[in-house]
Amino acid sequence: SAVISQKPSRDICQRGTSLTIQCQVDSQVTMMFWYRQQPGQSLTLIATANQGSEATYESGFVIDKFPISRPNLTFSTLTVSNMSPEDSSIYLCSVDAQGSEQYFGPGTRLTVT
Amino acid sequence: QKEVEQNSGPLSVPEGAIASLNCTYSDRVSQSFFWYRQYSGKSPELIMSIYSNGDKEDGRFTAQLNKASQYVSLLIRDSQPSDSATYLCAVTGNQFYFGTGTSLTVIP
Repeated sequence: SAVISQKPSRDICQRGTSLTIQCQVDSQVTMMFWYRQQPGQSLTLIATANQGSEATYESGFVIDKFPISRPNLTFSTLTVSNMSPEDSSIYLCSVDAQGSEQYFGPGTRLTVT
Repeated sequence: QKEVEQNSGPLSVPEGAIASLNCTYSDRVSQSFFWYRQYSGKSPELIMSIYSNGDKEDGRFTAQLNKASQYVSLLIRDSQPSDSATYLCAVTGNQFYFGTGTSLTVIP
């Protein structure tokens, strides 16, 4: 399995501001993913971060709101832009490290006031 | 129809009993199946993967897959209070699909 870290682990932000979440993996991986998990809910895939090309977004998520970078095979960032209280959630990055298995980072707990 | 369906629970079992968690999926071409455990406030942790019909055992955990019935289950033998968590079923088709999870409580 891969060792994945995320920064920050939690943050409290004011509405209208932006937060960039970092995801670092200890080995090179092809696929990196960003998920959101709202309280009591399951995981919702936001986008797949592709190295060297634009991210692939799922229905309901757009690049202007959730810009993603993937500068190399071990690192990705997700920005939550122009935040509103509805963006309060846990944001998780994951990697596809061994075939189709996915491993998750520890998550970033975001509260928007 | 959801891609992956799980009974949300909560499921309560006494310590030492067998906990049985069930999952059905809709995409017949799904190839890979996973069970994740998620403790409250933590991220999901992969505990079992299964790729072919039948049973796969790992310690106290047994995953069972029946592709004809589009059904995958997780059995936890000798349940412990530390097994209390939400268990997420995941299936790969065109993408990775997660169920909504089953909350398990093991009562001492």
